[in-house]
Amino acid sequence: EAGVVQSPRYKIIEKKQPVAFWCNPISGHNTLYWYRQNLGQGPELLIRYENEEAVDDSQLPKDRFSAERLKGVDSTLKIQPAELGDSAVYLCASSLRRVVGDYEQYFGPGTRLTVT
Amino acid sequence: DAKTTQPPSMDCAEGRAANLPCNHSTISGNEYVYWYRQIHSQGPQYIIHGLKNNETNEMASLIITEDRKSSTLILPHATLRDTAVYYCIVRRGLRGGSNYKLTFGKGTLLTVNP
Repeated sequence: EAGVVQSPRYKIIEKKQPVAFWCNPISGHNTLYWYRQNLGQGPELLIRYENEEAVDDSQLPKDRFSAERLKGVDSTLKIQPAELGDSAVYLCASSLRRVVGDYEQYFGPGTRLTVT
Repeated sequence: DAKTTQPPSMDCAEGRAANLPCNHSTISGNEYVYWYRQIHSQGPQYIIHGLKNNETNEMASLIITEDRKSSTLILPHATLRDTAVYYCIVRRGLRGGSNYKLTFGKGTLLTVNP
């Protein structure tokens, strides 16, 4: 079974430039998450999708960050314009939502963003 | 969700058991203990979770104290590939609800030495 795929793996941009990250979740997983991980910290949730709907974007800085999940499969996270403080690893995860019971989140390898 | 406390780092000799502790003294009755790990340059990986009883799978064992205020993740025969940051997370279970959130702390960096 293929895991969560993310691209690019690394990205270096100058501040004020736009950047986009792409995620392809595990086939059949209807829930998709974007996390941000700063150096030395654990991941922090930015946004969660159930199918096409963003059901929790309370932690997404909406002035510069946007996300979409067209057709409820792939997702794109965008930053425009990027700031120095956005340097981090951006992780995508997916899971299969069940009516009852627990489920696990499966993470991709992440995109390491460096803003100079 | 209850907060957790983990030591920042631990060492273990290859082939020996690694015992990673976690304190969660404010855990509620409906909260589960989850463990994830993150190997360098990879995303977090689910290991195991439990509510009250001890749990075991192909990766590890989870021992939860009777009062549920602490737990220990046991890797029975640690290998060099087990070197990673291990996160202990307390999260409410799902019963038709939508409590999905994983709140990561800083975890424990386990270094397995040859």
